[in-house]
Order: sequence, then C-alpha cells, then structure tokens
Amino acid sequence: SAVISQKPSRDICQRGTSLTIQCQVDSQVTMMFWYRQQPGQSLTLIATANQGSEATYESGFVIDKFPISRPNLTFSTLTVSNMSPEDSSIYLCSETSGSNYNEQFFGPGTRLTVL
Amino acid sequence: RKEVEQDPGPFNVPEGATVAFNCTYSNSASQSFFWYRQDCRKEPKLLMSVYSSGNEDGRFTAQLNRASQYISLLIRDSKLSDSATYLCVVKLGGGGSYIPTFGRGTSLIVHP
Repeated sequence: SAVISQKPSRDICQRGTSLTIQCQVDSQVTMMFWYRQQPGQSLTLIATANQGSEATYESGFVIDKFPISRPNLTFSTLTVSNMSPEDSSIYLCSETSGSNYNEQFFGPGTRLTVL
Repeated sequence: RKEVEQDPGPFNVPEGATVAFNCTYSNSASQSFFWYRQDCRKEPKLLMSVYSSGNEDGRFTAQLNRASQYISLLIRDSKLSDSATYLCVVKLGGGGSYIPTFGRGTSLIVHP
C-alpha cells in the first residue's frame, strides 16, 4: 500500500480564515479522496480529487467552501475556506491502491479546531 | 434512515470475553462489505472484508446476512489491544469506482 502523509497534523484557526491541508502519497495513485470525521460521527466523503480535472463533490459540499487541487498523481490539497466553529473536525486524505481497489488507505488526518 | 447504522456502544467487556457487533445497511443493492478498525486519534485501517459465505481471521469472524441486510463481527478471546472503534463499511460494488459508506463506528473497551 502507498504511504500517505498529511500536513499540518493539527491546527487551531480563527473563524473567517482559511486553511489548506496537503496530502502526499509516496507512489502514483489514480483516485484520491477527502473525508471529514466530526467527533463521534462516521467518516463523510467530501469529494473525489481528480487529476487533471475538477474535483467531484458529494451532496452538501461545494467547491467554494472546499476547493481542492490535484496537480499530479501523488499530491492533493484541500482548503477549508471562511471557517466557522462547525468546520472543526478531522480531515482525512485517502486513496484506494489496494488489491482490486477495495481497500481504502488513509492519511493520519488533520485535526482542525476553529475558534 | 441512515445508509449504514451501528450501535455506537461503548461495549465494555473483560479480557477473554466474546463480543459481537452488528451493522445494518439500507441499500439492498450493496455488494461489498468491510470492517475497519480505528484506534483513538488514528486513521481507520482495514480489519477484514466480509464475504457472502462468512469468513474468519484468527479470533475475528465476519458474517453477512443479505436477507436481513446486516453484517456482523465476532471477536473471541478479547485482548486489551482490541480496544478501538470498529467501523462498518458498505459499497455498492467492488473496485475503486464505488464510493464506500462508513458507519459511525462501535466503540469497544476491553478491560483487565
């Protein structure tokens, strides 16, 4: 499986500001995903990051709030824009390079607190 | 009704106990099923896939009941290190073209 790293690992931000989270994979992967996990809740898919085209967003998530970049097959960024306390969550980058693309591998996550 | 439902627990059991979790899913067209484990402040990791005929991996047994639309995970001879949150995951199909749906997880605490 690919090794996934994320930066920053955690941050505390003021409301109204934006934070960009970086995800680096140590090998080329076709599909990358961004998830959010709020306290006590399940993982919720924000979007699929597509290389060379716009990200595909899930219901309830929009590009203006969560712009995503995917400049190549090993890297992606997620920006959380105009943050409010409701955006406090863990944000996880993920890819599916496993056998038959069934297994989902996750980065260590970025723990975001918005004051 | 949520797509994937789990009892959040926590299940608090002594070492050596047998514990079972269930997970129900709403979409009868679902094809692929998994259990993931998530340790505190860590990312989720695949524990095991769930096959139609049921499957076992050491102390862990997973089963699928399509008629009632649920999957189960049985842990025998619980260890302290089994303490974690267990996430039920369901996909409409196999392969990377299908997005998985995660349950909120069932918390297990194994105590001495």
